[in-house]
Amino acid sequence: DAKTTQPPSMDCAEGRAANLPCNHSTISGNEYVYWYRQIHSQGPQYIIHGLKNNETNEMASLIITEDRKSSTLILPHATLRDTAVYYCIVHGSSNTGKLIFGQGTTLQVKP
Amino acid sequence: ETGVTQSPTHLIKTRGQQVTLRCSSQSGHNTVSWYQQALGQGPQFIFQYYREEENGRGNFPPRFSGLQFPNYSSELNVNALELDDSALYLCASSLQGSREQFFGPGTRLTVL
Repeated sequence: DAKTTQPPSMDCAEGRAANLPCNHSTISGNEYVYWYRQIHSQGPQYIIHGLKNNETNEMASLIITEDRKSSTLILPHATLRDTAVYYCIVHGSSNTGKLIFGQGTTLQVKP
Repeated sequence: ETGVTQSPTHLIKTRGQQVTLRCSSQSGHNTVSWYQQALGQGPQFIFQYYREEENGRGNFPPRFSGLQFPNYSSELNVNALELDDSALYLCASSLQGSREQFFGPGTRLTVL
């Protein structure tokens, strides 16, 4: 299973964009990049996923480098409710439901 | 549409006891995965069930077992509880082949 590396913590000012990086240098060609977040005392919540093209939904944007060895999750206008642990996960179709969570990045959005 | 629900929310057991945790899938979802999350750590995959059979297992001993029922709800059973089993147990449901898992709020198990 490919592994990911994320900074342990980041701060962001409320209303500003939060850019969360992730390295996944051993990613295989058929593996997707997923982002989940976990707000304190809740279960993880799916945010977005992508293979090689940039993706955007109502929650966030995902930018994947051309070599696919790294990606960035962008929360365009962070709010206090975005304070959470953000997990970057690499997952292939052969892995069934086995999401491999690392330590994630704790994002603190400050007023 | 009802989300993933888990019961109980909290549970206290003593070493050596057995515990059963329950999960109801989101409506229409046929696959259930279970995760263990120790304090300060990311969730660790225990196993997944699809069509009432185990469909993938993580690095957990056989005393962790599960069931999936025809209505896609699921149970996680842990025998011979150890202190290190104290954790948040998360259930996630999905459609087989879908790339998104929906997590429940978890059951907090404390083993004394």
